[in-house]
Amino acid sequence: NAGVTQTPKFQVLKTGQSMTLQCAQDMNHNSMYWYRQDPGMGLRLIYYSASEGTTDKGEVPNGYNVSRLNKREFSLRLESAAPSQTSVYFCASSEWGGTNEKLFFGSGTQLSVL
Amino acid sequence: QKEVEQNSGPLSVPEGAIASLNCTYSDRGSQSFFWYRQYSGKSPELIMSIYSNGDKEDGRFTAQLNKASQYVSLLIRDSQPSDSATYLCAVQRGGSNYKLTFGKGTLLTVNP
Repeated sequence: NAGVTQTPKFQVLKTGQSMTLQCAQDMNHNSMYWYRQDPGMGLRLIYYSASEGTTDKGEVPNGYNVSRLNKREFSLRLESAAPSQTSVYFCASSEWGGTNEKLFFGSGTQLSVL
Repeated sequence: QKEVEQNSGPLSVPEGAIASLNCTYSDRGSQSFFWYRQYSGKSPELIMSIYSNGDKEDGRFTAQLNKASQYVSLLIRDSQPSDSATYLCAVQRGGSNYKLTFGKGTLLTVNP
């Protein structure tokens, strides 16, 4: 049972390069999320997708774009990477996104932008 | 600015002791409260959730909620070295689907 799968696990970019982080879940969840985690900052929501075909901004969306490709997949794109985007990125999913729901996290992507 | 505050630690306790982790929040509209455990280099996993004032027990873990004082705590009884991790408090406003606000986490170390 894979749960939430993220790729890649590690990535190093130069300033200005672009890349896409991939996320897929096999739990038939409707809602998916992208978080970033920085030392001393906790987890912060970048974007979320309440259901297939919808996406919305979270707390820190600037510099990112997302695509909910289908019910299983939710990708995060950095169009022009900046050193401030060096972070650990987590994809997560939940059944409906309502209150009281458990989030299931992927294993994370450690991104360094030089 | 809705905030969730946690003591960053590290909190160090001997094996077998009770570890007490605290969290305060600023949004009085908060309705759902969660504790996630995160081992070093791993992803967070949910260990407790609580929605009503009072205590909720699950095995060695007890979550306590006091909405009037705006704090939530996690007690770990008979602490084990395997409990050594960062504990993240997360809060969700009532009706605010999809959006959790996380604290910065408290690092707990249980010494054998």
